[in-house]
Amino acid sequence: DIQMTQSPSTLSASVGDRVIITCRASQSIGYWLAWYQQKPGQTPKLLIYKASSLENGVPSRFSGSGSGTEFSLTISSLQPDDCATYYCQQYNSYLQTFGQGTRVEIE
Amino acid sequence: EVQLVESGGGLIQPGRSLRLSCAASGFTFDDFAMHWVRQAPGKGLEWVSGITWNGGTRHYADSVKGRFTVSRDNAENSLYLQMSSLRTEDTALYYCVKDGDVPAWGQGTLVTVSS
Repeated sequence: DIQMTQSPSTLSASVGDRVIITCRASQSIGYWLAWYQQKPGQTPKLLIYKASSLENGVPSRFSGSGSGTEFSLTISSLQPDDCATYYCQQYNSYLQTFGQGTRVEIE
Repeated sequence: EVQLVESGGGLIQPGRSLRLSCAASGFTFDDFAMHWVRQAPGKGLEWVSGITWNGGTRHYADSVKGRFTVSRDNAENSLYLQMSSLRTEDTALYYCVKDGDVPAWGQGTLVTVSS
């Protein structure tokens, strides 16, 4: 199975900061990676698919990059509404796997 | 618009069985593989099972292999998860997820395994 290692597990930053979350795959997954935002009591919300494609309606301050085994999610200017847990998901194979999650807090 | 509506969750005793359903609409169901993903209370996301577009291949997480069975009815645009020998650690919100370039999720159905 493909393992996804996500870091950091928790991130604290100020409003307006640039924030980067990384995800590493144990083997190459091409660009078959998605990023989700989840707030308490809500369904995970798709932000990025195919590593760098922005889902409709998602603010442009969110961006994704990477391919192969190294990926990142960047929030260019952190906003209070961005407080949430973020997950990466590989969907290169039918046995999909998720990262452990990154909790983003405002300082 | 893609819609996935899960049902069938509830409170169930350990060792018993339960069947989850997912009604799909807004896309050509038999063009896509489908998956079940779960999230235990306060925990992260865990992929549970996947099935190819025609049901010909099915995959399971090690944690449910031999106890859960995924199936689909393309004529009814429906996905199912038959869960047996349920354990307390199976307690979770179960999501139905559409495969493809752009994944799509339902709202989930809660399964609570407790005596």
